[in-house]
Parts: sequence; structure tokens; C-alpha cells
Amino acid sequence: QKEVEQNSGPLSVPEGAIASLNCTYSDRGSQSFFWYRQYSGKSPELIMSIYSNGDKEDGRFTAQLNKASQYVSLLIRDSQPSDSATYLCAVGDNTNAGKSTFGDGTTLTVKP
Amino acid sequence: GAGVSQSPRYKVAKRGQDVALRCDPISGHVSLFWYQQALGQGPEFLTYFQNEAQLDKSGLPSDRFFAERPEGSVSTLKIQRTQQEDSAVYLCASSLDLGADGYTFGSGTRLTVV
Repeated sequence: QKEVEQNSGPLSVPEGAIASLNCTYSDRGSQSFFWYRQYSGKSPELIMSIYSNGDKEDGRFTAQLNKASQYVSLLIRDSQPSDSATYLCAVGDNTNAGKSTFGDGTTLTVKP
Repeated sequence: GAGVSQSPRYKVAKRGQDVALRCDPISGHVSLFWYQQALGQGPEFLTYFQNEAQLDKSGLPSDRFFAERPEGSVSTLKIQRTQQEDSAVYLCASSLDLGADGYTFGSGTRLTVV
């Protein structure tokens, strides 16, 4: 079992809808959590980081963290076709915060 | 520089050939990370530098893989006697501090071993 699990998708939502992306992790001591967006053929781009339980909002993006359930999610409101990409969940290492373990990503398609 | 620069962008190597992949991090970034991303998978950690010190190389798949950052800036990932399973995108990332706030990735080097 991978340390960071994501549904591979594909997840398809209509334009303007809310896209919900989920991630679970196995290391209960993890303290830092990240969401990266990766367009096809491109490198990952950091879009959100979260460290405390609860919600963190940045524009149309909301990251949610529940350490007790070892669960982190990303909500994208008012989804746009330009949001179509693979979203990677990454969890910071408990002993080396700079080192991250990535999930395999969820592919999101936003249909016009 | 404005971003993390990696070269070459694409590399085709014959099996058994040695290759060297270069990463030029954002100026002033202390930490530098190498990741390997196979098709359809998330990046996998290879190694990590803080300045010129290689603090963690636990992800290097075998002793054919070697990384260095001699002056604390540019880094080179070297793969000796390449094998087909080495085919992947090699991503370099840098961070101003320890990387605990996430990374800025370079555009990657796509290595194909034939």
C-alpha cells in the first residue's frame, strides 16, 4: 500500500461546478501537506500548502486537512476548463520536512 | 535565474551509456531536490542537498545513480550504465529554506533508454 493514496480518476465535472479531490496518507506524524497541479507534459506546480486541521482558502481553491482521519482534500470552486490537469497530493516527511511523498495523482477534466 | 533550469530537456541514451543531467536552481535557494517521475505516477524522491551537503540520498535506486552539488548551486545527477527501467522524467526542485513550504520544480529532463 502506498503511503499517499489518491483516486486516479479520471474525474470529470462540468464547467462552473465544484471539483473535489481526495487524498489519504499513512504516516500519522506528518505535519505538512501540499497540492500540486501538473498539466500534461509539464512539471508539477505548487498551488496549496496546509499544516493545521481545518480549511485554508486561496481564491477558488480550498484545502481541507483532518489529521485524525489522515485525510486531506482540495476543492476547486467554479471549475474552469483550464483547471483540467492532474492534481498531486504530497505529504512532508515526519523527520525531514523538506522531503515529500507524492501520490500518483487524480486527473481532472472540466467540460465546457 | 527566474526559475529552476534543467538541461537537457530530452535525452535518449543507449542501454549501458552514462548520462549527466544538470539542474540550475533559483538563485539563493539553499535546498535542492531530485525526483524521478515514471509515466502515470507521482514523483519519487531521489536525493536532497542543503547547500553543497547531500543530506539524504535514500531514494537513489542503485549505486549507478550519483548526485553532486559541489559549490552549493548547480547540481548534476549522473546515471551510469543506463538501463531501460531508468527511463523517466527527472525533476529538480529548489527551495529558499529547507523545502518545508513546498517546492518550485524545473521543467524536467525526459530520459529514454533504448
